[in-house]
Amino acid sequence: EVQLVESGGGLVQPGGSLRLSCAASGLRFSSYWMTWVRQAPGKGLEWVANMNQDGSERYYVDSVKGRFSISRDNAKNSLYLQMNSLRADDTAVYYCAKGGPRTTTKETFDYWGQGTLVTVSS
Amino acid sequence: QSALTQPASVSGSPGQSITISCTGTSSDVGGYNYVSWYQQHPGKAPKLMIYDVSSRPSGVSNRFSGSKSGNTASLTISGLQAEDEADYYCSSYTSSDTPVFGGGTKLTVL
Repeated sequence: EVQLVESGGGLVQPGGSLRLSCAASGLRFSSYWMTWVRQAPGKGLEWVANMNQDGSERYYVDSVKGRFSISRDNAKNSLYLQMNSLRADDTAVYYCAKGGPRTTTKETFDYWGQGTLVTVSS
Repeated sequence: QSALTQPASVSGSPGQSITISCTGTSSDVGGYNYVSWYQQHPGKAPKLMIYDVSSRPSGVSNRFSGSKSGNTASLTISGLQAEDEADYYCSSYTSSDTPVFGGGTKLTVL
């Protein structure tokens, strides 16, 4: 059974930093694109960033470019999101999601974690 | 990276069929057969219901179907059930080589 478990969320002041982690199990992690999607309170889904299998391709939504960095450690079956210069509008539940069903799939997400809440406030 | 357009809400009675639209442009929905639909119950993670416009993942009821015409994709749910009440989001691959979501549609089962 595929499981994705996010951690690292919490309360941070504007301008601060936070690192999210996503631990994957039940899949050949190194074979798939991985993605971060966020959802602000009461709002819709927003794609944030994704990364290919070996890290040679990384994409970001315009609003986080230069502030967020996606990375992965295939040996540890883990995905990360380093978030710097955080702003109030970054407040959201952040989901880790697996690209699928094919290994080439970057735009469809067939498994999701439960999410971790990031609150940016003074 | 503009969001795809979905109706804010739709409703239907048990047993009926409903359709949710998702409108984009030739740079996303109209240009690629990579439209997906997700179901999200309150407080839960999204669940993939349809991918590649009309394919269903294993375990998803065949009451859910997808289609596309031009720049508009559609999700149809037939034989509406109380458990179908949820938020539904479409997404599409885009010419920027990134995905984009729709704004979401709240489905109410009357």
